[in-house]
Amino acid sequence: NAGVTQTPKFRILKIGQSMTLQCTQDMNHNYMYWYRQDPGMGLKLIYYSVGAGITDKGEVPNGYNVSRSTTEDFPLRLELAAPSQTSVYFCASSYYFIRDSNSPLHFGNGTRLTVT
Amino acid sequence: DQQVKQNSPSLSVQEGRISILNCDYTNSMFDYFLWYKKYPAEGPTFLISISSIKDKNEDGRFTVFLNKSAKHLSLHIVPSQPGDSAVYFCAASVSGNTPLVFGKGTRLSVIA
Repeated sequence: NAGVTQTPKFRILKIGQSMTLQCTQDMNHNYMYWYRQDPGMGLKLIYYSVGAGITDKGEVPNGYNVSRSTTEDFPLRLELAAPSQTSVYFCASSYYFIRDSNSPLHFGNGTRLTVT
Repeated sequence: DQQVKQNSPSLSVQEGRISILNCDYTNSMFDYFLWYKKYPAEGPTFLISISSIKDKNEDGRFTVFLNKSAKHLSLHIVPSQPGDSAVYFCAASVSGNTPLVFGKGTRLSVIA
């Protein structure tokens, strides 16, 4: 079981370029999330989805877009990369938000993005 | 405005001793709390959780204590092992129906 798979692992972008961070899960989870982690900071929620076709903003959505056309995939789009978007991005999934210890978030291994 | 605070960026403990990691929260609506552990170049992994109807939850070497009146929780690791060296994140949710809010993390170093 692969769990949550993120690609690419690393990427360097120039200011103004665009890219899509890919995330796929094979656990048939309904809920998926994108978090970013800046150095010395916790994980901040960018966007989340409670099912195919449904997405919602998190704490720091500006500069990002998402789509959820299938249960498995939840790509994150950066349209005009800025240095402030330099971060490590984590995708996660769960059956429900968090109902009990049997349904914790499962995280991917992250994408390290540098914008110069 | 941080709703979940981990005020100690780092902690160093000798192998075999107890590690105590602390977490404070400001949102009184939070009623479900989790601890995640993160190794370098990996995603966080779930460690242990507690709901507000309890004040303690134990899983092997890991115990989480919740003090609702103080809006404080702590993670105890006994005995600490070198493999426990990682960053530990405290996270909280409202009724298990909202996305997790994470603290900044505490880096634990267990010295052999």
